[in-house]
Amino acid sequence: EVQLLESGGGLVQPGGSLRLSCVASGFTFSSYAMSWVRQAPGKGLEWVSVVTSSGDNTYNADSVKGRFTISRDNSKNTLFLQMNSLRAEDTAIYYCARGRYFQDYWGQGTLVTVSS
Amino acid sequence: DIQMTQSPSSLSASVGDRVTITCRTSQTINNYLNWLQQKSGKAPKLLIYSASNLQSGVPSRFSGGGSQTDFTLTISSLQPEDFATYYCQQTYSPPYTFGQGTKLEIK
Repeated sequence: EVQLLESGGGLVQPGGSLRLSCVASGFTFSSYAMSWVRQAPGKGLEWVSVVTSSGDNTYNADSVKGRFTISRDNSKNTLFLQMNSLRAEDTAIYYCARGRYFQDYWGQGTLVTVSS
Repeated sequence: DIQMTQSPSSLSASVGDRVTITCRTSQTINNYLNWLQQKSGKAPKLLIYSASNLQSGVPSRFSGGGSQTDFTLTISSLQPEDFATYYCQQTYSPPYTFGQGTKLEIK
């Protein structure tokens, strides 16, 4: 059974940093691109980042470029999202999902709240 | 960036109705178009990928169509569990934008 389990969310002050993790199981992690998608409270879905299966290539939304970094450790079946210079508008549930061109499995999400 | 225009933003329908949601993209996307369903408080669920391919385990009453810049999601006979919010998403070119969502409510 495919499982994706996010962690690392919480309350952080504006300008602060957080590192989200997503541990994968039930499939060959190193064979799949992985994505992060977020959803602000009461709003729609917003694509954030994607990393290729090898980790060699990444793509990011304009809203997070220069602040967020997606990466992965295939030896630990783990996806990361390093978030720096956080803003109030980054407050959202962050989902990790399997796949680049379509996301067929999703985690349950982790809530990030940016507030003073 | 590719812009997504999804309509309607909300829709009221009855069990057994046939409903169609549309998604228009600002440029041709070679069928890199997905449809997702999200129920309140839950993670999104993939329904249709590459415009018309039904994801494994998704009921056949869901179907996707269209090409170039105009795409549709059709539910042939609404069931009570189908009342949710639906999103289209393009994955032709990053950033992989989502539509604004269509909230499907019970009439």
